[in-house]
Parts: sequence; structure tokens; C-alpha cells
Amino acid sequence: RKEVEQDPGPFNVPEGATVAFNCTYSNSASQSFFWYRQDCRKEPKLLMSVYSSGNEDGRFTAQLNRASQYISLLIRDSKLSDSATYLCVVNPRGSARQLTFGSGTQLTVLP
Amino acid sequence: NAGVMQNPRHLVRRRGQEARLRCSPMKGHSHVYWYRQLPEEGLKFMVYLQKENIIDESGMPKERFSAEFPKEGPSILRIQQVVRGDSAAYFCASSSSGQGNYGYTFGSGTRLTVV
Repeated sequence: RKEVEQDPGPFNVPEGATVAFNCTYSNSASQSFFWYRQDCRKEPKLLMSVYSSGNEDGRFTAQLNRASQYISLLIRDSKLSDSATYLCVVNPRGSARQLTFGSGTQLTVLP
Repeated sequence: NAGVMQNPRHLVRRRGQEARLRCSPMKGHSHVYWYRQLPEEGLKFMVYLQKENIIDESGMPKERFSAEFPKEGPSILRIQQVVRGDSAAYFCASSSSGQGNYGYTFGSGTRLTVV
């Protein structure tokens, strides 16, 4: 079983749609959780951290369910510029070593 | 305030040659991490270094790969006798501490092509 699993997609949605991505992780001792965004042939960029209480940043909402070892990302009112690959990232030991990346979920927002 | 700087952006090597990838961390950062992304795959951890020390190299292939982060100058990822399977994007990230609670910032990467 992979340490971090994501549905690879692709998700093709129209502009303005709401889309949700899910991610599961295998290490119950994991400490920190993130969503990164990666554009084609570019470096991953930190989108947001994920907290147990849930957190929101504009159109983006992230949720963490420790009991189910499940992380989600919700994007509301999708924009064309949201088209990218979204990477679920887990810090399994509470240190900076070995952030573990999922393989990513590809999103295309269509006009 | 420059971010993480990697060079070269693109590197082409023939099989059997050596590849040297450089990473200059953000100002004030003393922790460097190297990741590799094979085509159509996710990022895989390779090595974590602090100045003059390798802290965790559990993701490094056993042969041909080495990394260093000297007291002065950039971190270097060195691949000897490259093979076609080494073709990938190599990303470097840095942080100011060894705690991963805040994620970290990546450089633009070096795309290595082995021909």
C-alpha cells in the first residue's frame, strides 16, 4: 500500500464548478499535512497546510480526518488558472525529513 | 529576497557521464532536501542535509549518487555514470529548521536528460 494515495484523475470541470479531491495516508503517526500545487513542468508550490479543525483560504478549504486518515481539498468557483496537479503531502514523523508526496490529482478547468 | 536557486535548469548528459546539480538555499536556511520526480510520477525523497552533514540519505540509490552541502557554497547532488533511468526532474527545497510543520519551498528544479 502506498503511503499517500490519491485519485490521479483527470478531473475536467467547467469554470465556476466546485471540485473536491481526496487523499488517504497509511501512517497513523503522521504529524503534518499539506496540499501542494504543481503546474506542468514546474516546481511544486505550497498551497495550504491542513489542520484537524479544517481551514479555509479564499476559495480553498482543506479538511483532515485523523481517525480515517483522510485529507480533502475543496475548490469552490473554479477558475481556469486552477488547472494544475494537486499533490497531497504528509509529514510522517513530525520532522522535515521525508515529506511524502502523493502522485497527484490532475485538474483541468474548462471554459 | 531570492528563493531556492537551482542550476542548471536543464542538463543533457550522455550515458556514462557525470551530472552535477547545484542548489543554493534561501537566505538564512541551513537545511536542504533533494527530491526526484520521474516522468508521470510523484516526488520521491532522496536526501536531507544540513551544512557539512548528511542527516538522512535513506532515499538515495546505493550506487552512483552522492550529495554534499559544504560550509560554503551550494549543495551539490552528483550522479556518476548516468544511465537513461536517471532522466528526471530533480528538485531541491530548503528550510530554516528541521521541523516540517510548515512545509517548505522548492527551487525550479533541474531537468536531467540522459541520451
